[in-house]
Amino acid sequence: EPEVTQTPSHQVTQMGQEVILRCVPISNHLYFYWYRQILGQKVEFLVSFYNNEISEKSEIFDDQFSVERPDGSNFTLKIRSTKLEDSAMYFCASSQRRDSGANVLTFGAGSRLTVL
Amino acid sequence: AQSVTQLGSHVSVSEGALVLLRCNYSSSVPPYLFWYVQYPNQGLQLLLKYTSAATLVKGINGFEAEFKKSETSFHLTKPSAHMSDAAEYFCAVAGSGGYQKVTFGIGTKLQVIP
Repeated sequence: EPEVTQTPSHQVTQMGQEVILRCVPISNHLYFYWYRQILGQKVEFLVSFYNNEISEKSEIFDDQFSVERPDGSNFTLKIRSTKLEDSAMYFCASSQRRDSGANVLTFGAGSRLTVL
Repeated sequence: AQSVTQLGSHVSVSEGALVLLRCNYSSSVPPYLFWYVQYPNQGLQLLLKYTSAATLVKGINGFEAEFKKSETSFHLTKPSAHMSDAAEYFCAVAGSGGYQKVTFGIGTKLQVIP
Protein backbone atom coordinates (compact mmCIF):
# COMPACT_ATOMS: atom_id res chain seq x y z
CA GLU A 1 0.00 0.00 0.00
CA PRO A 2 1.38 3.45 -0.85
CA GLU A 3 2.68 5.38 2.10
CA VAL A 4 4.00 8.76 3.10
CA THR A 5 7.60 8.63 4.29
CA GLN A 6 9.26 11.15 6.57
CA THR A 7 12.86 11.79 7.51
CA PRO A 8 14.43 12.07 9.97
CA SER A 9 12.42 10.09 12.47
CA HIS A 10 14.01 12.03 15.30
CA GLN A 11 16.12 15.18 15.30
CA VAL A 12 17.71 16.95 18.23
CA THR A 13 18.84 20.52 17.68
CA GLN A 14 20.01 23.55 19.59
CA MET A 15 17.73 26.55 19.99
CA GLY A 16 18.27 29.01 17.15
CA GLN A 17 19.37 26.41 14.64
CA GLU A 18 17.64 25.78 11.33
CA VAL A 19 15.87 22.48 10.82
CA ILE A 20 14.53 20.89 7.65
CA LEU A 21 12.04 18.05 7.88
CA ARG A 22 11.51 16.01 4.77
CA CYS A 23 8.53 14.15 3.41
CA VAL A 24 7.85 12.04 0.35
CA PRO A 25 4.08 12.10 -0.26
CA ILE A 26 2.16 9.46 -2.17
CA SER A 27 3.07 9.84 -5.81
CA ASN A 28 -0.37 10.61 -7.30
CA HIS A 29 -1.46 12.92 -4.50
CA LEU A 30 -1.72 16.62 -5.16
CA TYR A 31 -2.41 18.18 -1.74
CA PHE A 32 0.27 18.20 0.92
CA TYR A 33 0.09 19.13 4.58
CA TRP A 34 2.11 19.57 7.72
CA TYR A 35 0.59 19.02 11.13
CA ARG A 36 2.29 19.02 14.50
CA GLN A 37 1.58 17.43 17.84
CA ILE A 38 3.18 18.81 20.96
CA LEU A 39 3.60 16.06 23.54
CA GLY A 40 0.27 15.34 25.20
CA GLN A 41 -1.66 17.80 23.07
CA LYS A 42 -3.89 17.72 20.02
CA VAL A 43 -2.78 17.35 16.41
CA GLU A 44 -2.64 20.89 15.01
CA PHE A 45 -2.82 21.99 11.40
CA LEU A 46 0.17 24.01 10.21
CA VAL A 47 -0.08 24.40 6.46
CA SER A 48 -1.47 22.97 3.25
CA PHE A 49 0.18 23.15 -0.14
CA TYR A 50 -1.23 22.71 -3.61
CA ASN A 51 -0.01 23.54 -7.08
CA ASN A 52 3.34 24.78 -5.74
CA GLU A 53 1.91 27.29 -3.35
CA ILE A 54 0.49 27.50 0.14
CA SER A 55 -3.29 27.11 0.04
CA GLU A 56 -3.92 27.62 3.73
CA LYS A 57 -1.88 28.18 6.87
CA SER A 58 -2.62 28.45 10.56
CA GLU A 59 -1.60 31.11 13.05
CA ILE A 60 1.17 28.80 14.20
CA PHE A 61 2.79 28.95 10.77
CA ASP A 62 4.62 32.25 11.20
CA ASP A 63 7.62 33.68 9.37
CA GLN A 64 9.91 31.15 11.01
CA PHE A 65 8.28 28.38 8.99
CA SER A 66 8.41 27.71 5.27
CA VAL A 67 7.48 24.85 2.99
CA GLU A 68 8.84 23.84 -0.35
CA ARG A 69 8.43 21.19 -2.97
CA PRO A 70 11.89 21.38 -4.50
CA ASP A 71 11.41 18.52 -6.93
CA GLY A 72 8.65 16.18 -8.03
CA SER A 73 8.76 14.03 -4.95
CA ASN A 74 9.93 15.80 -1.78
CA PHE A 75 7.92 18.17 0.37
CA THR A 76 9.90 19.96 3.08
CA LEU A 77 9.17 21.96 6.19
CA LYS A 78 11.88 24.40 7.28
CA ILE A 79 12.05 26.05 10.66
CA ARG A 80 14.49 28.93 10.35
CA SER A 81 15.46 29.55 13.97
CA THR A 82 14.10 26.91 16.29
CA LYS A 83 12.61 27.74 19.67
CA LEU A 84 12.08 25.46 22.64
CA GLU A 85 8.34 25.48 21.96
CA ASP A 86 8.92 24.03 18.49
CA SER A 87 9.64 20.68 20.13
CA ALA A 88 6.92 18.41 18.82
CA MET A 89 6.11 15.55 16.50
CA TYR A 90 5.66 16.86 12.98
CA PHE A 91 3.42 14.89 10.66
CA CYS A 92 3.37 15.16 6.90
CA ALA A 93 0.23 14.13 5.05
CA SER A 94 -0.99 14.02 1.50
CA SER A 95 -4.33 13.58 -0.23
CA GLN A 96 -5.81 13.24 -3.67
CA ARG A 97 -7.69 16.10 -5.15
CA ARG A 98 -11.40 15.46 -5.20
CA ASP A 99 -13.92 17.87 -6.54
CA SER A 100 -16.48 16.34 -4.29
CA GLY A 101 -15.80 13.76 -1.67
CA ALA A 102 -13.92 13.37 1.52
CA ASN A 103 -10.45 14.78 1.81
CA VAL A 104 -8.82 11.66 3.21
CA LEU A 105 -5.33 12.36 4.47
CA THR A 106 -2.64 9.72 4.54
CA PHE A 107 -0.12 10.49 7.26
CA GLY A 108 3.53 9.68 7.60
CA ALA A 109 4.96 8.20 10.78
CA GLY A 110 6.18 11.59 11.94
CA SER A 111 9.44 13.37 12.69
CA ARG A 112 10.10 14.06 16.35
CA LEU A 113 11.90 17.37 16.84
CA THR A 114 13.58 18.09 20.15
CA VAL A 115 14.92 21.61 20.66
CA LEU A 116 17.41 22.03 23.50
CA ALA B 1 -15.38 26.63 10.40
CA GLN B 2 -15.30 23.11 11.78
CA SER B 3 -14.33 21.69 15.15
CA VAL B 4 -14.71 18.50 17.14
CA THR B 5 -14.95 17.86 20.85
CA GLN B 6 -13.88 14.54 22.28
CA LEU B 7 -15.34 13.79 25.68
CA GLY B 8 -12.91 11.98 27.94
CA SER B 9 -9.19 12.30 27.37
CA HIS B 10 -8.69 8.86 28.96
CA VAL B 11 -11.01 5.87 28.75
CA SER B 12 -10.39 2.50 30.42
CA VAL B 13 -12.26 -0.66 29.53
CA SER B 14 -11.84 -4.30 30.40
CA GLU B 15 -10.79 -6.72 27.70
CA GLY B 16 -13.96 -8.00 26.03
CA ALA B 17 -16.05 -5.02 27.11
CA LEU B 18 -17.74 -2.48 24.86
CA VAL B 19 -15.60 0.43 23.67
CA LEU B 20 -17.36 3.79 23.33
CA LEU B 21 -15.37 6.90 22.46
CA ARG B 22 -17.40 10.07 22.15
CA CYS B 23 -17.08 12.79 19.56
CA ASN B 24 -19.30 15.78 18.88
CA TYR B 25 -18.75 18.05 15.94
CA SER B 26 -19.51 21.58 14.93
CA SER B 27 -19.61 22.55 11.29
CA SER B 28 -21.09 25.38 9.25
CA VAL B 29 -21.36 23.09 6.21
CA PRO B 30 -22.23 19.40 5.86
CA PRO B 31 -19.25 17.68 7.43
CA TYR B 32 -17.06 14.79 6.59
CA LEU B 33 -15.97 12.99 9.75
CA PHE B 34 -13.08 10.69 10.51
CA TRP B 35 -11.59 8.60 13.24
CA TYR B 36 -7.84 8.13 13.27
CA VAL B 37 -5.84 5.87 15.57
CA GLN B 38 -2.29 6.44 16.79
CA TYR B 39 -0.35 3.58 18.30
CA PRO B 40 2.65 4.43 20.49
CA ASN B 41 5.49 5.99 18.52
CA GLN B 42 3.61 5.70 15.26
CA GLY B 43 1.77 8.00 12.87
CA LEU B 44 -1.94 8.48 12.40
CA GLN B 45 -3.88 5.69 10.73
CA LEU B 46 -7.38 6.13 9.31
CA LEU B 47 -9.90 3.91 11.10
CA LEU B 48 -13.04 4.99 9.26
CA LYS B 49 -14.72 7.91 7.56
CA TYR B 50 -18.21 9.32 7.09
CA THR B 51 -18.81 10.95 3.73
CA SER B 52 -22.59 11.50 3.66
CA ALA B 53 -23.48 8.03 2.41
CA ALA B 54 -24.53 5.50 5.06
CA THR B 55 -24.80 6.95 8.54
CA LEU B 56 -23.37 3.80 10.12
CA VAL B 57 -19.79 3.43 9.02
CA LYS B 58 -17.66 0.35 9.51
CA GLY B 59 -13.92 0.60 9.75
CA ILE B 60 -10.90 -1.53 10.34
CA ASN B 61 -10.28 -3.72 13.39
CA GLY B 62 -14.00 -4.13 14.14
CA PHE B 63 -14.66 -0.45 14.87
CA GLU B 64 -17.72 1.40 13.68
CA ALA B 65 -19.21 4.85 14.11
CA GLU B 66 -22.65 6.31 13.61
CA PHE B 67 -23.30 9.79 12.28
CA LYS B 68 -26.21 11.41 14.11
CA LYS B 69 -27.02 14.81 12.70
CA SER B 70 -29.65 15.59 15.34
CA GLU B 71 -27.07 15.05 18.07
CA THR B 72 -24.07 16.37 16.06
CA SER B 73 -22.27 13.23 17.15
CA PHE B 74 -19.98 10.65 15.61
CA HIS B 75 -19.17 8.23 18.43
CA LEU B 76 -16.78 5.35 17.87
CA THR B 77 -17.71 1.89 19.12
CA LYS B 78 -16.39 -1.62 19.20
CA PRO B 79 -18.41 -4.47 20.75
CA SER B 80 -15.49 -6.23 22.40
CA ALA B 81 -12.18 -4.59 23.32
CA HIS B 82 -8.91 -6.32 22.61
CA MET B 83 -5.58 -5.59 24.23
CA SER B 84 -4.24 -4.47 20.86
CA ASP B 85 -6.84 -1.67 20.78
CA ALA B 86 -4.88 0.28 23.36
CA ALA B 87 -3.94 3.48 21.54
CA GLU B 88 -4.92 7.10 21.16
CA TYR B 89 -7.97 7.84 19.03
CA PHE B 90 -8.59 11.12 17.27
CA CYS B 91 -11.89 12.33 15.90
CA ALA B 92 -11.55 14.75 12.98
CA VAL B 93 -13.77 16.86 10.76
CA ALA B 94 -13.51 18.44 7.34
CA GLY B 95 -15.99 20.41 5.31
CA SER B 96 -17.60 18.68 2.38
CA GLY B 97 -17.20 19.71 -1.22
CA GLY B 98 -13.68 19.46 -2.51
CA TYR B 99 -10.56 20.30 -0.57
CA GLN B 100 -10.99 21.20 3.04
CA LYS B 101 -8.38 20.95 5.75
CA VAL B 102 -8.95 18.35 8.44
CA THR B 103 -9.31 19.54 12.02
CA PHE B 104 -8.56 17.13 14.85
CA GLY B 105 -9.94 16.72 18.32
CA ILE B 106 -7.71 16.51 21.36
CA GLY B 107 -7.66 12.72 21.32
CA THR B 108 -8.80 9.98 23.69
CA LYS B 109 -6.34 7.50 25.13
CA LEU B 110 -7.88 4.07 25.36
CA GLN B 111 -6.55 1.72 28.01
CA VAL B 112 -7.59 -1.94 27.88
CA ILE B 113 -7.38 -3.78 31.17
CA PRO B 114 -6.77 -7.53 31.06
